[in-house]
Amino acid sequence: QSALTQPPSVSGSPGQSVTISCTGTSSDVGGYNRVSWYQQPPGTAPKLLIYEVSNRPSGVPDRFSASKSGNTASLTIAGLQAEDEADYYCSSYTRSKTFYVFGTGTKVIVL
Amino acid sequence: EVQLVEFGGGLVQPGGSLRVSCLASEFTFKNYWMNWVRQAPGEGLEWVANIKEDESEINYADSVKGRFTISRDNAQNSLYLQMSSLRVDDTAVYFCARGGRPHAFDLWGQGTMVTVSS
Repeated sequence: QSALTQPPSVSGSPGQSVTISCTGTSSDVGGYNRVSWYQQPPGTAPKLLIYEVSNRPSGVPDRFSASKSGNTASLTIAGLQAEDEADYYCSSYTRSKTFYVFGTGTKVIVL
Repeated sequence: EVQLVEFGGGLVQPGGSLRVSCLASEFTFKNYWMNWVRQAPGEGLEWVANIKEDESEINYADSVKGRFTISRDNAQNSLYLQMSSLRVDDTAVYFCARGGRPHAFDLWGQGTMVTVSS
């Protein structure tokens, strides 16, 4: 099972919006509404941002939103802030033997 | 404080064995699926294994199947990963993660480093 495909990096100035894509197949992202997103600042553990494609746990700012179309999921960060600089990973349930698969990761750079 | 704390990592030779543990605090551990996720140095996240609340279902990534064994002790609020036939490419930080949202990991430990090297 290959990792889901994310762009290596995206960048934006404070206040701008950035969108991260996460491309899989019909066996994972496209086949189930079981996509989640994680934020991992340097040297720390990941933190859940989004589950079931577009749901935010309590405490996650509404600047973070997500959606899915076909085999591609997307995370949008609106009103970019310096503290948003981190690595971001998508994840999906997969009907392959792997059970869960993560994306390749995207570094968000705040200019 | 609701938290997960991993321990037991260290340096092991190729072909060797190691058990890492995860202790849960301040939540009802027995009510949750639990997972192990690893991250090789400078690399992305890789899901390793998970176990249902009552141990009735266990799943492994292909990369560790037959070599790693996940288990839990609900009375001790503990999750374990027994690793054997370790390879250099098993070198990673091993995180335990709670399956507190449908098919998502809502609570993570700080991780424990496992280094496989001669």
